[in-house]
Amino acid sequence: AQSVAQPEDQVNVAEGNPLTVKCTYSVSGNPYLFWYVQYPNRGLQFLLKYITGDNLVKGSYGFEAEFNKSQTSFHLKKPSALVSDSALYFCAVRAYDAGNMLTFGGGTRLMVKP
Amino acid sequence: EAGVTQFPSHSVIEKGQTVTLRCDPISGHDNLYWYRRVMGKEIKFLLHFVKESKQDESGMPNNRFLAERTGGTYSTLKVQPAELEDSGVYFCASSQATTDTQYFGPGTRLTVL
Repeated sequence: AQSVAQPEDQVNVAEGNPLTVKCTYSVSGNPYLFWYVQYPNRGLQFLLKYITGDNLVKGSYGFEAEFNKSQTSFHLKKPSALVSDSALYFCAVRAYDAGNMLTFGGGTRLMVKP
Repeated sequence: EAGVTQFPSHSVIEKGQTVTLRCDPISGHDNLYWYRRVMGKEIKFLLHFVKESKQDESGMPNNRFLAERTGGTYSTLKVQPAELEDSGVYFCASSQATTDTQYFGPGTRLTVL
């Protein structure tokens, strides 16, 4: 079985400061890892994914995530937060060889204060 | 290019009634997925279509839920009869190839009273 943990329900950060949203996963075999963002009254928007290759993945809106196999983590980062980054962030995993369903974490609400 | 669309955006029904949710995937995407998020918990997989065939329906909670994708285009998800615990947000996603990124629609918020 595969699972995802997002240990923080909410992350607060000041505008201009770096942000990190944490994600750890458990899966048999090689993982495909994803970050999605949900803005208020909107659907899930794809941010970035890790399939293979470079452990540092760059995505939309200046976000990046680092795949760490030994720590089974895929933390989302941004060097300088914007107020407009405030949203709900979901980490998801799909096992390389175990179907196509995504397993999601519980979500982390990011609040960026001016 | 239009994204995944879902209708309605919000539905409020009484317990015991029937509701049908619709999803239109991105044009050309053979793979269509349904997920739901209930009570603010994790987003959970319901099922996966490849064209008109159900590839994986392991996440369907019970036989009150029926998903169809006639003709391999849009899909419907019917809940009959609806129960209180069915309240939540139902998301649809599509992808071109099975292994590709899944793109999500805006969701349908279902409230069962």
